[in-house]
Amino acid sequence: SVLLYQKPNRDICQSGTSLKIQCVADSQVVSMFWYQQFQEQSLMLMATANEGSEATYESGFTKDKFPISRPNLTFSTLTVNNARPGDSSIYFCSSRDRLGGYEQYFGPGTRLTVL
Amino acid sequence: GDSVTQKEGLVTLTEGLPVMLNCTYQTIYSNAFLFWYVHYLNESPRLLLKSSTDNKRTEHQGFHATLHKSSSSFHLQKSSAQLSDSALYYCALRNNAGAKLTFGGGTRLTVRP
Repeated sequence: SVLLYQKPNRDICQSGTSLKIQCVADSQVVSMFWYQQFQEQSLMLMATANEGSEATYESGFTKDKFPISRPNLTFSTLTVNNARPGDSSIYFCSSRDRLGGYEQYFGPGTRLTVL
Repeated sequence: GDSVTQKEGLVTLTEGLPVMLNCTYQTIYSNAFLFWYVHYLNESPRLLLKSSTDNKRTEHQGFHATLHKSSSSFHLQKSSAQLSDSALYYCALRNNAGAKLTFGGGTRLTVRP
């Protein structure tokens, strides 16, 4: 299994500012995924981040708005640029263990509120 | 692309009654891995059940589901609901070609005394 930690747990920011969400895994993982969840709605995959390469973004999410770094096999950062109230949601990082098993693990989530 | 449909957004039950949450999916790939995740308030989503074998029942923590490829379904069932089952349940699909999961819209299950 993989344990994922996220920081911060929650954040409140003003419109137009940027903020970073960090995700740390307790073991090396190949891919890290970032999900967005609006209140009681589905988990939407934003992007997939592999070490040493550009993140792959899903439709509706862009590198300019949500840049993601993946400097090593245990760490990833999601940035929310020019935050807007519509970005208020919970952001989860997720991964599978290095053996490539099909079970996907999730971090505790970061609840973002943009005023 | 792949899609997962959970037709009930909200299910409210009385404790002790059976649970059935619907999940159907679409994929062009011949092999699909289906999952049920449970998401309790203020916790991380976690895996409840998984299957890739047609017509084989899989069980965990009192819940069970059977993947039926003929009807592209993977419904979640439990014989008797408990108050502690109240949570958000997601059905998810991973096809044999990709690394990513596709989630359904989720079903909020509320169990009342």
